[in-house]
Amino acid sequence: GQNIDQPTEMTATEGAIVQINCTYQTSGFNGLFWYQQHAGEAPTFLSYNVLDGLEEKGRFSSFLSRSKGYSYLLLKELQMKDSASYLCAVDNYGQNFVFGPGTRLSVLP
Amino acid sequence: GAVVSQHPSWVICKSGTSVKIECRSLDFQATTMFWYRQFPKQSLMLMATSNEGSKATYEQGVEKDKFLINHASLTLSTLTVTSAHPEDSSFYICSATGTGRTNEQFFGPGTRLTVL
Repeated sequence: GQNIDQPTEMTATEGAIVQINCTYQTSGFNGLFWYQQHAGEAPTFLSYNVLDGLEEKGRFSSFLSRSKGYSYLLLKELQMKDSASYLCAVDNYGQNFVFGPGTRLSVLP
Repeated sequence: GAVVSQHPSWVICKSGTSVKIECRSLDFQATTMFWYRQFPKQSLMLMATSNEGSKATYEQGVEKDKFLINHASLTLSTLTVTSAHPEDSSFYICSATGTGRTNEQFFGPGTRLTVL
């Protein structure tokens, strides 16, 4: 079966660092994506990992361990506009994505 | 690049009517398009996958006769919600993949459907 887990909600303070974890068990693996979604809007691409290790892109970094079925998204220097849902998605071959339940992040002043 | 549009952005209709939602890839040819449904505070649920010129593949539990998908060209896919009911009210999002190194999906802005 396909299963992706993420924490449902997280809260952090402006300027802080937050790590959002994602664990997955899928029948196939062709890469893992992180998307940001503000309420009422479509998801926007943040990062893509296919090999183990850390990918850094500005304030956002994403890590992948394929052997552990684990990824995390690291957000640094949090800003109020970072309040959103963060979706972990596994590319399950055949161009079929499996989305996690999403993590709602609230950034407080 | 890689822009996907949807039309309309929102629609309100009466129960029993049909609603068509268009999804277009504006600056690339989409080999595959996906249709998702998202209820409030929930994640995206894949409804169906469509490839140009062939029948859509529906996920388990999605009624193909109720949610008609037509992928007429490499830049256009349509979702028609037939005989809509209040429980069909949701946020419908399409995405598309083109040729490229990854299978990244590019998402449209979504369509908010409200059935009265």
